[in-house]
Amino acid sequence: GQQVMQIPQYQHVQEGEDFTTYCNSSTTLSNIQWYKQRPGGHPVFLIQLVKSGEVKKQKRLTFQFGEAKKNSSLHITATQTTDVGTYFCAVHYGNNRLAFGKGNQVVVIP
Amino acid sequence: EPEVTQTPSHQVTQMGQEVILRCVPISNHLYFYWYRQILGQKVEFLVSFYNNEISEKSEIFDDQFSVERPDGSNFTLKIRSTKLEDSAMYFCASRNRGGNTEAFFGQGTRLTVV
Repeated sequence: GQQVMQIPQYQHVQEGEDFTTYCNSSTTLSNIQWYKQRPGGHPVFLIQLVKSGEVKKQKRLTFQFGEAKKNSSLHITATQTTDVGTYFCAVHYGNNRLAFGKGNQVVVIP
Repeated sequence: EPEVTQTPSHQVTQMGQEVILRCVPISNHLYFYWYRQILGQKVEFLVSFYNNEISEKSEIFDDQFSVERPDGSNFTLKIRSTKLEDSAMYFCASRNRGGNTEAFFGQGTRLTVV
């Protein structure tokens, strides 16, 4: 099945700093979604990227889809304690399968 | 705001017992999913359901698992004979149409098999 690899798996980020998390595929993706799961919570949809080279912004979050549609990144600026959680990328493939990467667990250091 | 609801929030069961996890998807949604997340690990796809039948299932979803949409609102996951390794958080999700739209997740059921 289609796999997406996320790097890094863990990040410790000082409050106020920026960080980036990456999602990579060996095959071309039709689209990619990003979800955030707070500790003890459930995955919550953040964004969907569809077009080659697409960039979308949500306040301090910037999402990019690579030109070859094989990778994506999420960049967060001026990290806040509310950014703590695990960020997953997810892809649709097959008949009706939404598959998640292993996630990037982010710890924010006050 | 509409949401996916799951019951119970926590279930403890003895190994070998059957459990049924219940979900009420968002009312106008057409695609339904079950996922499993072992503590601290990835969100693993189990099964998807559309038009009253399974559309995809993973290798985890073996004969001891089944899903049902018995009455047009509930969506259930049954585990026939639970094993210790079935202990996990089980999430139900739904989405409203094709075109790879976002999935809305319930709060999850934490299943503990003892």
